[in-house]
Amino acid sequence: GENVEQHPSTLSVQEGDSAVIKCTYSDSASNYFPWYKQELGKRPQLIIDIRSNVGEKKDQRIAVTLNKTAKHFSLHITETQPEDSAVYFCAASQGGKLIFGQGTELSVKP
Amino acid sequence: GAVVSQHPSRVICKSGTSVKIECRSLDFQATTMFWYRQFPKQSLMLMATSNEGSKATYEQGVEKDKFLINHASLTLSTLTVTSAHPEDSSFYICSASPGTDTQYFGPGTRLTVL
Repeated sequence: GENVEQHPSTLSVQEGDSAVIKCTYSDSASNYFPWYKQELGKRPQLIIDIRSNVGEKKDQRIAVTLNKTAKHFSLHITETQPEDSAVYFCAASQGGKLIFGQGTELSVKP
Repeated sequence: GAVVSQHPSRVICKSGTSVKIECRSLDFQATTMFWYRQFPKQSLMLMATSNEGSKATYEQGVEKDKFLINHASLTLSTLTVTSAHPEDSSFYICSASPGTDTQYFGPGTRLTVL
């Protein structure tokens, strides 16, 4: 089955800096890659997603890139703000089922 | 749009009792619903996938007789933790899909078994 690896597990940046989180997946049949943000004790919220027929997608300060050949995808957050502090999860989807990475705890220091 | 509710948000029960958690899609019909559990500082682990009117598909290692899932309608799925024990204490989260890849998550249920 699918296996998703996510790095780093923790990331601390200064406000205004960029943050990058990377994920790799194992199953080349996976074709949908969402990113979720989860604040403590709350539900995961979809922040951006990308499908396998696209290499890059951007939404304001957030961008995702996908390299199908290497089977990895990355989340880029620019101009980070303290409210970006949360746990971020990547996921890979195969036939509608999401397999999540281990999560990255992002801390943005003012 | 795409709102998913979950009830209750918190439940504390005694060991040996059963607990039912409801997951509802409020403004769309969910052809598929998913149930996850999440331990503190860990990722979401898929427990089972349910489609309306059919039996749930459980992930490897998840006991189907302990975690009973019913997907009675296109807007409601329930998870019953039977004969709960302290090791079942966790954060249970459902998600619903309108038939696309996207999943919308409920707010979660914090279960504590004493």
